[in-house]
Order: sequence, then C-alpha cells, then structure tokens
Amino acid sequence: QLQLQESGPGLVKPSETLSLTCTVSGVSISSSSYFWGWIRQPPGKGLEWIGSLYYSGGTYYNPSLKSRVSISVDTSKKQLSLKLSSVTAADTAVYYCARHDQWLAHGMDVWGQGTTVTVSS
Amino acid sequence: QSVLTQPPSASGTPGQRVTISCSGSSSNIGSNTVNWYQQLPGTAPRLLMYSNNQRPSGVPDRFSGSKSGTSASLAISGLQSEDEADYYCAAWDDSLNGAVFGGGTQLTVL
Repeated sequence: QLQLQESGPGLVKPSETLSLTCTVSGVSISSSSYFWGWIRQPPGKGLEWIGSLYYSGGTYYNPSLKSRVSISVDTSKKQLSLKLSSVTAADTAVYYCARHDQWLAHGMDVWGQGTTVTVSS
Repeated sequence: QSVLTQPPSASGTPGQRVTISCSGSSSNIGSNTVNWYQQLPGTAPRLLMYSNNQRPSGVPDRFSGSKSGTSASLAISGLQSEDEADYYCAAWDDSLNGAVFGGGTQLTVL
C-alpha cells in the first residue's frame, strides 16, 4: 500500500532555508509514471500548490515561489525533498506531499499526513 | 487570492442536498478536468472526485460532480453530520503550468 510520510524541522528561522523530506513506501518513485508534489496550507487558510517532480526528474514550480523553491528526488532512499530558501513568517504552514498524474486527470490521490513548519526567530 | 473561486461557506440540514460551486477560466477548468478534495478538521485532504465526476473507491455515491465550461460543482445529497468539512476544488492550469486550488468552502451541517 502506497504511503507518504513528511518529515523535517518544525521550526526554521527567518531568512534561512526550509528543508523537508517525503518518504515514499509501497511503490518506486522512479518506476511509475506519476508526479510527486508538495502542497502547503498556512494556518486557517487554503491549499497552495508549491511544485511537482515527474518520476523521470522534470520539475514544475508555482510561479510565485519558483525563485525560492527546489524539489528533488533520491530514488535510492525513496525520498522526495523540498527546499524553500529565504523563508519568512508567511511560509509558516502545514506542508504535504502528494502523488498525482499528468494534468491532475486522476487527482492527487495519495497524501502524506503533513508536517507543520513554523518560521520564527 | 485563489485562482479558482469558491464560496467561503455553505450549510444544510441533515438529509438535504447541498451544492458547492467552483469558478475558473479557460486555462484551467476550461481546458482540464476538475478534482474535489474533502478536508476534515486536523487531517490531510482526501480526494473526493476526479475527472469532474468520478468517485474514487470508498467515496459514497451521495457525492457527485459536474463541469460546464469554466465552472464546476460538487453536490452532496442526503447530507450527514460527518460531511461537515472543508471542500476544495482543483485543476491543472495550462498558463501557469501547475496545479491551482480554490480557496475552499467550509460546509456546516446544521
């Protein structure tokens, strides 16, 4: 059964880089024709797509975050990673990883439980 | 400001039928299919509907979806207390080359 699990520091200082990991179990990241995405949700607000990585390595980023975001994969560790640089309080959110297919034709069908990140000094 | 527009709130009494709308543009809903997600308090979103009107396994047939032009709707019939949650629509946007979400609709079962 496919499961996703986010992990990383719960507290990041302003101007530093937020680094999160999503561990994928139950399927190989590199052998399936899926995208692996990051989505965040600020406290009391809605969902915001951060970016996605295609199983073969191509990446797509939210234009509003593109200059600060990097998504990569370590297939040997079955891990997807997110790096968001120069963070501010506005980056405080629950961060989710999720699987989806091209053009969201079948939606984001598997989600991690999410990990809370607070940006504060 | 979300790319897709949803009403912030909706409500109904048990047994009623409730609809939630989602408005977009030609580059997202007009060009691609719509998904709907249900988020119960304190939990991760759950896929409720894909390809406009397809229910994943395990989603009750009380939930239905539709799309017309650049708008979509989620309907919940036979409303139950456990349906009280936040609902989000989403679609791929060809101009942004990425996923876009609605701002979410908080459904209250009175």
